[in-house]
Amino acid sequence: EPEVTQTPSHQVTQMGQEVILRCVPISNHLYFYWYRQILGQKVEFLVSFYNNEISEKSEIFDDQFSVERPDGSNFTLKIRSTKLEDSAMYFCASSQTSGDPIQETQYFGPGTRLLVL
Amino acid sequence: DQQVKQNSPSLSVQEGRISILNCDYTNSMFDYFLWYKKYPAEGPTFLISISSIKDKNEDGRFTVFLNKSAKHLSLHIVPSQPGDSAVYFCAASEGTGTASKLTFGTGTRLQVTL
Repeated sequence: EPEVTQTPSHQVTQMGQEVILRCVPISNHLYFYWYRQILGQKVEFLVSFYNNEISEKSEIFDDQFSVERPDGSNFTLKIRSTKLEDSAMYFCASSQTSGDPIQETQYFGPGTRLLVL
Repeated sequence: DQQVKQNSPSLSVQEGRISILNCDYTNSMFDYFLWYKKYPAEGPTFLISISSIKDKNEDGRFTVFLNKSAKHLSLHIVPSQPGDSAVYFCAASEGTGTASKLTFGTGTRLQVTL
């Protein structure tokens, strides 16, 4: 069964450093998302991406964050200058298409645990 | 901003019995609802969904009920199995035809005991 994959599984970085989290969405999916879950809190939406541009972003997704689809398979989340409060589990998700709710179901990757020291 | 609420942080059920997980929402624009299951250190796994035009959707042991007037949905698991022990998240989205963001509840930890 196709699945979303994410690398690395864990990332430890120093405050102020840049990190890039990588995701390979399901191959025939067209919509891509990033969510995060701070320890003990709920899963929060960060950004959605379609047709090589951001569709929607939350207030969390400020200028320190960017997303990119550098090639036909990868989808990346970059945090330019990490802060302590960026420590969280980051989940990538993808969905097939729009117009049909069933096809819009988002499938999640296993996550990258980011720890900022 | 608690648009999706799961008021029970935990639930313990005996194997073979019914598990009922509840979810309430406040945003009347939500029209698609999903349940995800999550094990520690893994991503949310899609379980079952329901569109706002329906009041029930069933898939094997899992049934989701939607009461739009009460802005309430529930997930029934019958019979419950030890492998069902996980955190269950209710999620909702508004509008199709776009890359609609999911709004999640805080989760309910289900423990199925032998």
